[in-house]
Formats: sequence, structure tokens, C-alpha cells
Amino acid sequence: EDQVTQSPEALRLQEGESSSLNCSYTVSGLRGLFWYRQDPGKGPEFLFTLYSAGEEKEKERLKATLTKKESFLHITAPKPEDSATYLCAVHASSGSARQLTFGSGTQLTVLP
Amino acid sequence: DGGITQSPKYLFRKEGQNVTLSCEQNLNHDAMYWYRQDPGQGLRLIYYSQIVNDFQKGDIAEGYSVSREKKESFPLTVTSAQKNPTAFYLCASRNSLSVGEAFFGQGTRLTVV
Repeated sequence: EDQVTQSPEALRLQEGESSSLNCSYTVSGLRGLFWYRQDPGKGPEFLFTLYSAGEEKEKERLKATLTKKESFLHITAPKPEDSATYLCAVHASSGSARQLTFGSGTQLTVLP
Repeated sequence: DGGITQSPKYLFRKEGQNVTLSCEQNLNHDAMYWYRQDPGQGLRLIYYSQIVNDFQKGDIAEGYSVSREKKESFPLTVTSAQKNPTAFYLCASRNSLSVGEAFFGQGTRLTVV
């Protein structure tokens, strides 16, 4: 069974204090790993897709990286507006439409 | 603009009532999904559909029903058999033939009163 575990569950940072969020996965053939941002009371917003180990993607203060067992979302010099829940999801080669498996998310709070 | 629309944003249900949540997409995606999200938890799959007139149960389908009469629409009915329906419901769609991301609606918050 495909599994996705995110850590930590919650993270509080001071503005400008860089850190990383972790997404560990156990799947039967990874085809893609996705990062989403979710603001309270809203649907998840797509951030990145990573397809193979060693790949990196960047967007403003966020950088996502991928290894064969986990992905990291690095946040450099965060600002209060980066506060949100960050979700990780994987797409496995199971052959059915329900390939997406989500982690439980990391709730990030950036204090001014 | 292409996207996925959920309505209503807020919904209140009395005990014993069935309620239906709407989900419409104009992205020409074949696959559509319904997820339930409880506070502090991840997304749990209720139902999914890859083709018109066909759908499959997810991990927590009991007390829910769906239909897929059109490619663009995937409504979810929360029946009176669902004993704890208060939650945030998210609809998503994607192109299941590619390794593409899922696009989400803005969610419906259902409260039992």
C-alpha cells in the first residue's frame, strides 16, 4: 500500500528563519511527487511536480527536491504570507485513476 | 478561465437529511475525485471517477453517493447514513492519462445543525 508521511506536523518560524519540510514516501513505482499549498478554508493550490530523484524545482522562496525515498520543501527567508499548510502527494504506477496518495500536511506559521 | 468550481461554499444539514455538493470542471479532465478533510488531517478519498457513468469507492465511501452523468460534473450526496458528516469537502480533477497534477476546487464546508 502506498504511504506518504510528512514531518513535522507543525512548524513555527520567525520571519527570515529558513527551514525544510519533509515528505517521506513508500510507493510501488513513483511516477510523480506533488507539493501543494493550502490556506485555511480554501482548496489546495499546486506548487511543484517532481518526477525523478535528483530533480529540483524553485519558486520564489520555495525549493523542492526529490530523492528515492523522500522530498524536501526548503523555505528560504520566509515571510508571514508563507504561512499555510503544505501538502505532499505522490502518483504511483498502480494503473488506476486513484494513483494520488496524500500526506497529512505540515502547518507552517511564520511570525513577523 | 479554466477551472473547477464547487458550490455551495457553506452548507448546513439537519439530522436525517440528504444534501448534495456540486462540482463542475471545464478543464476537459477525465478523472474527478471527492476528498474529505478533517481538522489536522490529510485528504481522505471518498469516491473517484475516470469516465462518464463509472465511479469507484475510495477509502471512506460509506454514507456517500456520487454520479457522473457528464464529463464536467461529479456531484456528491451526503446521505443520512453518514453519521459524522461535518467536514471540509474538496473536489479535484486531473488528466489520468498523464502524470499531471490534480486541480482542486475551493471546497464546501458542511456542518450538521
